[in-house]
Amino acid sequence: GENVEQHPSTLSVQEGDSAVIKCTYSDSASNYFPWYKQELGKGPQLIIDIRSNVGEKKDQRIAVTLNKTAKHFSLHITETQPEDSAVYFCAARESYGNKLVFGAGTILRVKS
Amino acid sequence: IAGITQAPTSQILAAGRRMTLRCTQDMRHNAMYWYRQDLGLGLRLIHYSNTAGTTGKGEVPDGYSVSRANTDDFPLTLASAVPSQTSVYFCASSAENTGELFFGEGSRLTVL
Repeated sequence: GENVEQHPSTLSVQEGDSAVIKCTYSDSASNYFPWYKQELGKGPQLIIDIRSNVGEKKDQRIAVTLNKTAKHFSLHITETQPEDSAVYFCAARESYGNKLVFGAGTILRVKS
Repeated sequence: IAGITQAPTSQILAAGRRMTLRCTQDMRHNAMYWYRQDLGLGLRLIHYSNTAGTTGKGEVPDGYSVSRANTDDFPLTLASAVPSQTSVYFCASSAENTGELFFGEGSRLTVL
């Protein structure tokens, strides 16, 4: 089945700097890669996703890139703000069964 | 719009006791899921249901059971709780056309 690895496990950046979180996946037939943000005491919430027919997608300060050959995808947050502090999860949808497999999560701390 | 409602918010339970975590959605989504979240392990799928009347096993189903009698409700039962089931449990639902998961706020369960 699908296996998703996520790095780093924790990331601390200065306000205004960029943050990058990277994930790799094992199932070359996976075609959907969402990113979820989890604030303290809340459930995860979708912030951006990308499908395998696209290499990059942007939404204001966040962007996701996908390299299908290398089987990795990354989340980029520019001009970080304190409210970006949260746990971020990447995920990949299994080609068989259609279920999402999540990475272990990254704790992002934006220092002001 | 409530979305996903989980109950209880938190619970302390003696080992060996039976416990049911409740989950209700008002979005008329066909698919529903139960995940557990543990530090360093991310979100792991316990059980899922693609539509009312059907259920399936996820990555970590042992010790848990689910039922899906109707579209809105998807309870998770621990027949005889063990300390390793101490975790935060998230219920989620998804619409077929987008694949986006909508999560509840979680149920924190401690088994002593």
